[in-house]
Amino acid sequence: EADIYQTPRYLVIGTGKKITLECSQTMGHDKMYWYQQDPGMELHLIHYSYGVNSTEKGDLSSESTVSRIRTEHFPLTLESARPSHTSQYLCASSGGQGVIETQYFGPGTRLLVL
Amino acid sequence: AQSVTQLGSHVSVSEGALVLLRCNYSSSVPPYLFWYVQYPNQGLQLLLKYTSAATLVKGINGFEAEFKKSETSFHLTKPSAHMSDAAEYFCAVSDRSNTGKLIFGQGTTLQVKP
Repeated sequence: EADIYQTPRYLVIGTGKKITLECSQTMGHDKMYWYQQDPGMELHLIHYSYGVNSTEKGDLSSESTVSRIRTEHFPLTLESARPSHTSQYLCASSGGQGVIETQYFGPGTRLLVL
Repeated sequence: AQSVTQLGSHVSVSEGALVLLRCNYSSSVPPYLFWYVQYPNQGLQLLLKYTSAATLVKGINGFEAEFKKSETSFHLTKPSAHMSDAAEYFCAVSDRSNTGKLIFGQGTTLQVKP
């Protein structure tokens, strides 16, 4: 079944640790996105990718980095986590034929940095 | 630049009552518009999208939305609320570039009372 996966779903970690949030999709989509969402707030785009070896910063500045070595995989890394990074991170993908692309979302990762 | 405004961060209805969630957009070009739903601790799920084919768009779970260009609105409705409709609802507009980027509203929390 085509889907988009995120791991871990929940992560509690101490300040200064390096973390990687995983995102994988089996839909063959070219475009992938990372959003940051604080409770009760809108989604803010922090990274996106057109395809393999393509990454761009989003509308909201973020200290995280991303990579796109394989079409299906779009991990997000924080080199040194801080309490200000506490948030929910949502991964999405879009692609296929047609002008209007629909974004499909993963279940999200809730990050708590102590 | 595109933007989305959702009027009312919280909407409360009784089970069986009409649901009306408001969304107004700003766009310099004919927009593509989306409604997503987010259940607790989950990612976003597409409810419906407007792609200029028809002004009244029907989505999943009995929801529909009407595109009104003169009012720059894309309000979401459901004739009869069900307890399972309680969730966060997001309106989004596509920037219509080849990035596929979406601009989200701040979201509306729908509460359904028994």
